[in-house]
Amino acid sequence: GIQVEQSPPDLILQEGANSTLRCNFSDSVNNLQWFHQNPWGQLINLFYIPSGTKQNGRLSATTVATERYSLLYISSSQTTDSGVYFCAVADNYGQNFVFGPGTRLSVLP
Amino acid sequence: NAGVTQTPKFQVLKTGQSMTLQCAQDMNHNSMYWYRQDPGMGLRLIYYSASEGTTDKGEVPNGYNVSRLNKREFSLRLESAAPSQTSVYFCASNSAGGPSYEQYFGPGTRLTVT
Repeated sequence: GIQVEQSPPDLILQEGANSTLRCNFSDSVNNLQWFHQNPWGQLINLFYIPSGTKQNGRLSATTVATERYSLLYISSSQTTDSGVYFCAVADNYGQNFVFGPGTRLSVLP
Repeated sequence: NAGVTQTPKFQVLKTGQSMTLQCAQDMNHNSMYWYRQDPGMGLRLIYYSASEGTTDKGEVPNGYNVSRLNKREFSLRLESAAPSQTSVYFCASNSAGGPSYEQYFGPGTRLTVT
């Protein structure tokens, strides 16, 4: 099955700093999503981005499907950005979703 | 529009007890999923249902059964709970087959088996 890797595993930032999170996947996908799991455990949809680039406020994401990676950019980070960021992909049948291990982000005031 | 709802939010079981976790969605989605998340790890797929009347195993199905009761509801049953099933369980749904496969998650059920 598809393998998903995320880097870095942990990231500590000062408030206001920018960061880039990476997701690599081992096979062709037709679904890729980024999620934020907040400290209360809630999973929040950030982007549905099987290809291309999207922006939402301070966050943006780019997926290069032909090279099997996706990037999540966080600009001007805030303490409320803390939590774990997951990348999840599905194969060409679109049903069997595989999550990466996550990047744990801590933003310090 | 409540999205994806799960009950209960918390549950403590003794080894060998059984229980059913309930999930419902009001987004008219075709596909529904059950995941588990162990401490410090990502989510792993237990079972999914691509449409009403169908279910398929995911990565970690052993010890679980599921029922797709109708298009809205998808339940997960533990017949004989074991401490290894202590985890947080998430239900999700998406409109696979439509223009977007974006998944939406419920708030989770925190299960402890003693």
